[in-house]
Amino acid sequence: DQQVKQNSPSLSVQEGRISILNCDYTNSMFDYFLWYKKYPAEGPTFLISISSIKDKNEDGRFTVFLNKSAKHLSLHIVPSQPGDSAVYFCAASGITGGGNKLTFGTGTQLKVEL
Amino acid sequence: DGGITQSPKYLFRKEGQNVTLSCEQNLNHDAMYWYRQDPGQGLRLIYYSQIVNDFQKGDIAEGYSVSREKKESFPLTVTSAQKNPTAFYLCASSRTDDSNQPQHFGDGTRLSIL
Repeated sequence: DQQVKQNSPSLSVQEGRISILNCDYTNSMFDYFLWYKKYPAEGPTFLISISSIKDKNEDGRFTVFLNKSAKHLSLHIVPSQPGDSAVYFCAASGITGGGNKLTFGTGTQLKVEL
Repeated sequence: DGGITQSPKYLFRKEGQNVTLSCEQNLNHDAMYWYRQDPGQGLRLIYYSQIVNDFQKGDIAEGYSVSREKKESFPLTVTSAQKNPTAFYLCASSRTDDSNQPQHFGDGTRLSIL
């Protein structure tokens, strides 16, 4: 049973445009959501997170939106740059008693084209 | 430079052999984690440790063992009982095991069966 889902395996966007990556979850007990970026043969790099009590968090070109009623979050990257081409993982944590255990989605491959 | 070091980068195992993957961190983090990534899938938690001399099973602990004798070290042993060990293994750490603490990852070890 996959508790965190990324239904789009890939996304292609033109440089300078907005990239929107989506993530859905099923467990309403998660209290933090995180986005990680991963290049091939490297470990994931933390990008941005959001608490379940917020609906938006912004850091430079990256903004995460959380819609708790829909159990949906999205990562907006604007403007998109070629260096943003990577796999993006959505993750969730904070189930009671679970400490900081992360549950990951399957990832979305973003390609930013010139 | 503070960070997480995983070694080796590539590892080959013969059938019936145990192998140990190294993970060292100099971030002074209390919590450490081991994940496994298979092609087209997200990261799945193998084991985690909230503090020295303590560790718990994650979602896919069968066929693996860990130890946490020192704060900075969390080695993972892939035993011969793990029937499908070929994967990319990632170690992570966080300052504490609170769910608001982002995990920071090493660059991984790719394990293959000869």
